[in-house]
Amino acid sequence: DTEVTQTPKHLVMGMTNKKSLKCEQHMGHRAMYWYKQKAKKPPELMFVYSYEKLSINESVPSRFSPECPNSSLLNLHLHALQPEDSALYLCASSPAPQGSYEQYFGPGTRLTVT
Amino acid sequence: GENVEQHPSTLSVQEGDSAVIKCTYSDSASNYFPWYKQELGKGPQLIIDIRSNVGEKKDQRIAVTLNKTAKHFSLHITETQPEDSAVYFCAAHLSGGGADGLTFGKGTHLIIQP
Repeated sequence: DTEVTQTPKHLVMGMTNKKSLKCEQHMGHRAMYWYKQKAKKPPELMFVYSYEKLSINESVPSRFSPECPNSSLLNLHLHALQPEDSALYLCASSPAPQGSYEQYFGPGTRLTVT
Repeated sequence: GENVEQHPSTLSVQEGDSAVIKCTYSDSASNYFPWYKQELGKGPQLIIDIRSNVGEKKDQRIAVTLNKTAKHFSLHITETQPEDSAVYFCAAHLSGGGADGLTFGKGTHLIIQP
């Protein structure tokens, strides 16, 4: 089973709202990732969690706040977003943080900021 | 950091013909090269990958070749079928001391003409 689940599938929020995206995997993977994908573009790395600790933050604005409550869950808290933050937000996981291990992606959350 | 170039951006082939997508990478320390297929409205799906100690890998109609000296790798799809129509992304993983995300190419929109 290589399934990564994400909720919600779609989210519309205003610029003053606070919302959260959720990602879950039950494959025992110890690295989890958030990517942002704009239309007709490749995914761009935002955050990497390794053994539940934030290891990489690719200069993402503070209005995006990641959280890894346990090894199976990854959240992305959103606050005071801008319309240009509208995108597909993808979560991925891989078996181990080090080495060249495959990453498995979830279906994504389509976010629209109005 | 790593930079991945991918060509062509669009590829149209007749059903049953072969398709080849090419990528180059910049950092010789990269050691893992996955290929993802992304259908409309879905997350990227890992279809094949290759590590730097291997020159070629095959899985049914799909094959990947790697030339470390020239720093390029290619995806080959034979006997193409309508369901192969999608956007394909190559990626490179730069192995460091901890978890790293993937650097993606810009994508190739593969169109299979019936």
